[in-house]
Amino acid sequence: AQSVAQPEDQVNVAEGNPLTVKCTYSVSGNPYLFWYVQYPNRGLQFLLKYITGDNLVKGSYGFEAEFNKSQTSFHLKKPSALVSDSALYFCAVRDDSSYKLIFGSGTRLLVRP
Amino acid sequence: DGGITQSPKYLFRKEGQNVTLSCEQNLNHDAMYWYRQDPGQGLRLIYYSQIVNDFQKGDIAEGYSVSREKKESFPLTVTSAQKNPTAFYLCASSDPGNTIYFGEGSWLTVV
Repeated sequence: AQSVAQPEDQVNVAEGNPLTVKCTYSVSGNPYLFWYVQYPNRGLQFLLKYITGDNLVKGSYGFEAEFNKSQTSFHLKKPSALVSDSALYFCAVRDDSSYKLIFGSGTRLLVRP
Repeated sequence: DGGITQSPKYLFRKEGQNVTLSCEQNLNHDAMYWYRQDPGQGLRLIYYSQIVNDFQKGDIAEGYSVSREKKESFPLTVTSAQKNPTAFYLCASSDPGNTIYFGEGSWLTVV
């Protein structure tokens, strides 16, 4: 069965520093992987996805994610964090049998000024 | 603007009442979804629909019902059988590439 894991409940980083939010996955076939961001009291916003091709995927708001097949990881990165990046981040994988997305438990990112 | 509209944003339910959350999309997407999110928690799938007049149970369908009579609309009814309905409810739809797009959510509180 497909699954994703976000090992960190919270990530703290200083503004201007690089940030990484971790995600590992387990799939039986080719992975379709996604990152979403949620601000308080709002719906989730799509950031980026990996289907095939380059291992480095660029997305919205300066975010990118690195797909690593050997480590079964899809970590979200940004070279320079902003205070406004503080939010809840979700990794997701597509279920091959139903095509629905399976979400991780979420990681809260806190960027301090 | 294209998107997903959920209403109402805030809803209060009395014990024993059924309530319906509205979800409308103008993205021409075939697939639609309902998720539940408890405070500080991840998302759990309630129901999903791949096409009009068809829907499937998700992981936590008990106490909920849906209909899909039109492509644009996927309302969720929270019945009195749902014993702990207080949560944030998210409607979504997906494009052919399986990217899911979400509405702004609806808060349901039992009073």
